[in-house]
Amino acid sequence: EAEVAQSPRYKITEKSQAVAFWCDPISGHATLYWYRQILGQGPELLVQFQDESVVDDSQLPKDRFSAERLKGVDSTLKIQPAELGDSAMYLCASSSRAHGRAYNEQFFGPGTRLTVL
Amino acid sequence: DAKTTQPNSMESNEEEPVHLPCNHSTISGTDYIHWYRQLPSQGPEYVIHGLTSNVNNRMASLAIAEDRKSSTLILHRATLRDAAVYYCILRDLNSGYALNFGKGTSLLVTP
Repeated sequence: EAEVAQSPRYKITEKSQAVAFWCDPISGHATLYWYRQILGQGPELLVQFQDESVVDDSQLPKDRFSAERLKGVDSTLKIQPAELGDSAMYLCASSSRAHGRAYNEQFFGPGTRLTVL
Repeated sequence: DAKTTQPNSMESNEEEPVHLPCNHSTISGTDYIHWYRQLPSQGPEYVIHGLTSNVNNRMASLAIAEDRKSSTLILHRATLRDAAVYYCILRDLNSGYALNFGKGTSLLVTP
């Protein structure tokens, strides 16, 4: 069964360092999401792509976070510089073309657990 | 998106049915009701969704109140592997956007 791949699974870094996370969605999925999940809370959207275009990045802290999906396939999320409050699980999800389909299932990867020291 | 309210936690015995409630009193006519669950150390996974009628699949059943202001996810025989956080999410028919997770219900299953 096809899965969403993420790497690394765990990342420990010191504050002010740069970190990057990679996501490979299920083949053929046009929509890709990055979520952040703080311990004890539900995931919150950071950015959503439709193919290579950003359709929602309203919750992305743009002074330090960036995301790209250059060829509309895999995606990278970067944080520079990392802060203590960025410690969280970063989840990637994908779905087939999203608009007009409220029942569109999202498939999640295993996540990257980031710890900032 | 309209808001949902779920209990913070619930407990069940193994092999017994579990009824997980969700209140959504401000639901609109075009909101679908989705349930996802998140097993420990994993990403969320889809469980079931519905609009007006009750729904069944291999994982669970979804019972929707006639006025649609509440719904219940039913696990017919809980197993230890069903221990997870269960999220009830409303998603508008016309919205192609992300899932709006709340805090969900943490389900503990005891042998």
